[in-house]
Amino acid sequence: GAVVSQHPSRVICKSGTSVKIECRSLDFQATTMFWYRQFPKQSLMLMATSNEGSKATYEQGVEKDKFLINHASLTLSTLTVTSAHPEDSSFYICSATSGRDLAKNIQYFGAGTRLSVL
Amino acid sequence: QKEVEQDPGPLSVPEGAIVSLNCTYSNSAFQYFMWYRQYSRKGPELLMYTYSSGNKEDGRFTAQVDKSSKYISLFIRDSQPSDSATYLCAMTKAGGTSYGKLTFGQGTILTVHP
Repeated sequence: GAVVSQHPSRVICKSGTSVKIECRSLDFQATTMFWYRQFPKQSLMLMATSNEGSKATYEQGVEKDKFLINHASLTLSTLTVTSAHPEDSSFYICSATSGRDLAKNIQYFGAGTRLSVL
Repeated sequence: QKEVEQDPGPLSVPEGAIVSLNCTYSNSAFQYFMWYRQYSRKGPELLMYTYSSGNKEDGRFTAQVDKSSKYISLFIRDSQPSDSATYLCAMTKAGGTSYGKLTFGQGTILTVHP
């Protein structure tokens, strides 16, 4: 099956610092990757859609300058939380898909990154 | 009003029970319906995928979609302790700018006790 790796799994940082999260498709080429945010006991909320080689499309209410997304290759997308604040603390999850799976709206999820901003 | 409503539970059942999980939605444009299982501190794992109305069975799992009622269900037969997880329904519209954009329910926490 399709495997998506997300790193790091847990990060604790000080307020004002930037944090980079990596999402890699290990056994397939991901033309499209999605970034989600999940607060405790709440559902996943789509933050942005990332297509390889082009700028990410952000959902309404998501600050593009705050959450920088780069999808430079068919196997890697990164999310950088810039100048993190305690309210950015959350569980961030990426998903990846490509080709026929995208046509069927099937996505493969990473294990998530728990960000805690002190 | 949320586009997708799902009772968060928690739901606790004995091993071997039949589990019924449900979601309702308000947007009639949703065409693709999925159920994901998410273990604690892990990403969601796709369990079932259906297009439009009807039933789909896969082993102990059955997914039902009733578009006329805007209601989807997941049934788990002969539930096992290993089924203990959060179950998320998700759905998406067909094509265009909605391509691949999933709208999730809140998730139902299920515990199957021995």
